[in-house]
Amino acid sequence: DIQMTQSPSSLSASVGDRVTITCRASQDISRWLAWYQQKPEKAPKSLIYAASSLQSGVPSRFSGSGSGTAFTLTISSLQPEDFATYYCQQYNTYPRTFGQGTKVEVK
Amino acid sequence: EVQLVESGGGLVRPGGSLRLSCAASGFTFRNFAMSWVRQAPGKGLEWVSSTSASGGGTYYADSVRGRFTMSRDNFKNMVYLEMNSLRAEDTAVYYCAKDVGDTTPDAFDIWGQGTMVTVS
Repeated sequence: DIQMTQSPSSLSASVGDRVTITCRASQDISRWLAWYQQKPEKAPKSLIYAASSLQSGVPSRFSGSGSGTAFTLTISSLQPEDFATYYCQQYNTYPRTFGQGTKVEVK
Repeated sequence: EVQLVESGGGLVRPGGSLRLSCAASGFTFRNFAMSWVRQAPGKGLEWVSSTSASGGGTYYADSVRGRFTMSRDNFKNMVYLEMNSLRAEDTAVYYCAKDVGDTTPDAFDIWGQGTMVTVS
C-alpha cells in the first residue's frame, strides 16, 4: 500500500498568514493527489484534485502543487473559515490512502 | 443541487449486520463511480470501498474485504454498503462520496453528511 505522510500534524496560524502543508507519498503517484478540508463534526469538503486543480467553488487562495512523491497545499492568506483539518489522499492505485491530517489552529 | 444522503446507521452488537444506503440526486448517477469512506471517533479518514459507474468493478480495503459488500442501483440512484460480522473497530461515521469521473480510482468531489455506526 502507498503510505501518505503529512507534515506538520498541526500548526498555529493567524488570519492573513500564508500556510503551507506538505504531503509525501511512499512511492510515485504522478499527480493523482487530492486535498480535503474537514471542520469538526462536519463531512469533508473537496478542495483540490490532480494535485493542483481546484474543485468548483473553492476560493483561489487555496492552491496545490507537486508531482511524484512530494506535494503541497498552500493557503495564501488564511481566513477565519479556514481553521480546520486538512487531508491529502492518493488515488493512483487501490487502496486509496489518506494522510493522517494536518490541523490548522488559531494562534 | 448535487446531494448525497446516507441512512441506515445505528447501534449493533459485535458479529451483527447492518446495511447502509446512500441516495444520490442532482447529477447523472450512472456516469460516476461511487465510494464509501469512514472515520472512527477522533481519527482520520479511511477509504472503505468503491464501485465503478456500471457497478462492474468493486474494490475493498483489506480491513473490510470478505465482510462488507458494496453495490449500486443505477435505476434508483442508490449506493449500498452491506456490513456483516461487524467488529468494535468498525465503529465510525460512514460517508458516501462521489468520484470526480467514471473511472476509478479518482478523487472525490461530493460527500454526504455521514451516518454513524456503533458496534458495541
